[in-house]
Amino acid sequence: GIQVEQSPPDLILQEGANSTLRCNFSDSVNNLQWFHQNPWGQLINLFYIPSGTKQNGRLSATTVATERYSLLYISSSQTTDSGVYFCAVLSRRPQAAGNKLTFGGGTRVLVKP
Amino acid sequence: DAGVTQSPTHLIKTRGQQVTLRCSPKSGHDTVSWYQQALGQGPQFIFQYYEEEERQRGNFPDRFSGHQFPNYSSELNVNALLLGDSALYLCASSWDRGSGANVLTFGAGSRLTVL
Repeated sequence: GIQVEQSPPDLILQEGANSTLRCNFSDSVNNLQWFHQNPWGQLINLFYIPSGTKQNGRLSATTVATERYSLLYISSSQTTDSGVYFCAVLSRRPQAAGNKLTFGGGTRVLVKP
Repeated sequence: DAGVTQSPTHLIKTRGQQVTLRCSPKSGHDTVSWYQQALGQGPQFIFQYYEEEERQRGNFPDRFSGHQFPNYSSELNVNALLLGDSALYLCASSWDRGSGANVLTFGAGSRLTVL
């Protein structure tokens, strides 16, 4: 099946710093979502971005589908940005019917005040 | 507009017991998927239900079964619980547009501890 790798695995930031998280995937995708998981386990959908660039406040994301990677940018980080960020993809291959998202291992972000 | 709701939020069981977890999808969604997330790992796909049938299944044993009701809500059942079944169980819903390009919305999860 499709493989998803995220880097870095851990990230410690000082409040106000900027950062870039990366997601590499091994095959063409129909769907790519970035999620933030808060300390209580809730997965919050940040972006649906199978290709192109989107921005939402201090967060933005870019997916280059032809090169099979996506980037999540966090600008002017705040302590509330702490948590785990997951990239999840749906393979474009026909046998992947339905919405079986494959998740990466996540990037654990800690923003210090 | 209520999002995805799951119950119970926390539960403790002993080995060999059975558990049922419940999920109500977001309004307007017709597809429900279940994921298992072990501590420190990303969620793993268990199965997906659409039109009251299991449409796709991940690499989980038959001890894991599910059901979808006519109102699109869903249950996940796990029989003969093992210690390794301790995890956060996440339900996600979406609206099937037939292209695979659907946005999944997740619930807050049910945290199962098996002693």
